[in-house]
Amino acid sequence: SQQGEEDPQALSIQEGENATMNCSYKTSINNLQWYRQNSGRGLVHLILIRSNEREKHSGRLRVTLDTSKKSSSLLITASRAADTASYFCATDPQGAQKLVFGQGTRLTINP
Amino acid sequence: SQTIHQWPATLVQPVGSPLSLECTVEGTSNPNLYWYRQAAGRGLQLLFYSVGIGQISSEVPQNLSASRPQDRQFILSSKKLLLSDSGFYLCAWSVGGADEKLFFGSGTQLSVL
Repeated sequence: SQQGEEDPQALSIQEGENATMNCSYKTSINNLQWYRQNSGRGLVHLILIRSNEREKHSGRLRVTLDTSKKSSSLLITASRAADTASYFCATDPQGAQKLVFGQGTRLTINP
Repeated sequence: SQTIHQWPATLVQPVGSPLSLECTVEGTSNPNLYWYRQAAGRGLQLLFYSVGIGQISSEVPQNLSASRPQDRQFILSSKKLLLSDSGFYLCAWSVGGADEKLFFGSGTQLSVL
């Protein structure tokens, strides 16, 4: 069964705006990761946040984690057309030797 | 540096035919290896993972099997393909341990007709 659920399923914004995607999960985790996938390609790791961390930054990316609500958000600031892709959250449920992915958010940045 | 090779990029196969997808990793030793399947516009479903040669864990009962004949080689197979086997297949590797992240291949788009 899927562990992570992203919201919204699709998001379309204008270039320069900020994009926020959310992820909810069900069980306790060690960490949560965000990946990006361009159409027809493999996934690329963006950022990892540990369960004892609340916020993390990487360039234009900002990730938050709320373990009490079992949720995370990915913020992309000053979006660019090249940010158009699908974004997935992935969790490693405690005790599991695997990552479980959500359904993804399809982000479209309009020039 | 580490690289992952996955081939072919696209494959069209008739129902009932066999399947063999290969994935190899370079530049690392004893990686954890994974096969995922992605339906169009959907998330990833973990099919198999392996923490060592000959060690395969299956996540979903299905028409597929996996093998790891060498440390950095992971093969996905089927004896007889079904229509429902169509999808985008992704191989990935990780170094294992805490805070591991996955490195993905470029994927194989399989169409079973």
